[in-house]
Amino acid sequence: QVQLVESGGGVVQPGRSLRLSCAASGFTFSSYGMHWVRQAPGKGLEWVAVISNDGSNKYYADSVKGRFTISRDNSKNTLYLQMNSLRPEDTAMYYCARVSVEWELLHYFDYWGQGTLVTVSS
Amino acid sequence: DIVMTQSPDSLAVSLGERASINCKSSQSVLYSSNNKNYLAWYQQKPGQPPKALIYWASTRESGVPDRFSASGSGTDFTLTISSLQAEDVAVYYCQQYYSSPGFTFGPGTKVDIK
Repeated sequence: QVQLVESGGGVVQPGRSLRLSCAASGFTFSSYGMHWVRQAPGKGLEWVAVISNDGSNKYYADSVKGRFTISRDNSKNTLYLQMNSLRPEDTAMYYCARVSVEWELLHYFDYWGQGTLVTVSS
Repeated sequence: DIVMTQSPDSLAVSLGERASINCKSSQSVLYSSNNKNYLAWYQQKPGQPPKALIYWASTRESGVPDRFSASGSGTDFTLTISSLQAEDVAVYYCQQYYSSPGFTFGPGTKVDIK
């Protein structure tokens, strides 16, 4: 069965960096685009970034562009989110999610991980 | 970017009664070449990640009970729960996947039992 397990969250000071990971299993990881979505405490869902199945295409929300980098290692079935210059407003639960159709990006998200919590605070 | 809005912000419905949630996009999410609306609905229960309910504006995800239905096209969409059950208490989000980047979500509608 499809599993997505995020890790790497924690408490970090403003201006510092953090790298999140999402370990995938139960499907052919290299065939699917992947997203990061975040949710601030008590708030709604905010899409963060997407990467194509082969890593050749990456897109970001304006709120993180230039600070966050999405990447993947298909040999390790792992998705990453490198977060630099963190701000208090980046505090959120970060979820990874799979695009529902192989090879494409413009589809809904069919599987989600349980999330990893990032807290940016001094 | 496409902006998604939802109404109401919250609603309370008696068990067994109908609940309806509206979603509006700032521009059409209907792709003319395939006549598909790039609109999905998700359910999020407390302490859980979102779960996909509906895609292509009206297609139920596998395993989703048929009391959940959805309709709409272009810029206006509706999610309906025909007979509310206790396990349907959740926040419901619409999302457009028409434009990349974007993939914007609506602000969510909280559904409770009256």
